[in-house]
Amino acid sequence: IQLTQSPSSLAASVGDRVTITCRARQDISSYLAWYQQKPGKAPKLLIYAASTLQIGVPSRFSGSGSETDFTLTISSLQPEDFATYYCQQLDSYNSLTFGQGTRLEIK
Amino acid sequence: EVQLVQSGVEMKKPGESLKISCKGSGYTFDTYWIGWVRQMPGKGLEWMGIVHPADSDTRYSPPFQGQVIISVDKSISTAYLQWSSLKASDTAMYYCARLRAVAYYGLDVWGQGTTVTVS
Repeated sequence: IQLTQSPSSLAASVGDRVTITCRARQDISSYLAWYQQKPGKAPKLLIYAASTLQIGVPSRFSGSGSETDFTLTISSLQPEDFATYYCQQLDSYNSLTFGQGTRLEIK
Repeated sequence: EVQLVQSGVEMKKPGESLKISCKGSGYTFDTYWIGWVRQMPGKGLEWMGIVHPADSDTRYSPPFQGQVIISVDKSISTAYLQWSSLKASDTAMYYCARLRAVAYYGLDVWGQGTTVTVS
């Protein structure tokens, strides 16, 4: 199942509200997770089941959507949020594909 | 503390074999799947496959089927990713991560990554 994220890159300022979109080629219900990756580090789970915040993740992160269209929103960007974000579909053990990533940079 | 600890940096030549490892601790190892993810230099995350330690049930992403072998030894809480004949295009960072189940979960604990260079 192919996932398409948009935009591929984004420049924003501290305090901005940012939205990243992930579109699935077919219905994946709410079987979607979001990850944050900083340079040289392993990815970190932010959200699973489309909208459930992982323990310890700040509440400025939120997820929404179902079926084929999903969004990750950061309500007020903080300096530590500049990173690359990936969505992943978890519809089947046979292929748990990732989106191509969205690089969030400082404006 | 729940953690996955991966084996160290590998530098190999084309045609050589390699087996890297991922050891779990701080949780009941055979109650979570272990997945492998490739990240080529400067690129995104690619799903490779997954194994369940309880019964060694293994699933591969189609591009990696036949290219790698994923295995597990639950007696020592360790999962493996191996190649029989490396290519330069296998140069990448490889991560392991655990997954409770598909659908309503995510990869909640990740290893630190293993850098593989084939040259």
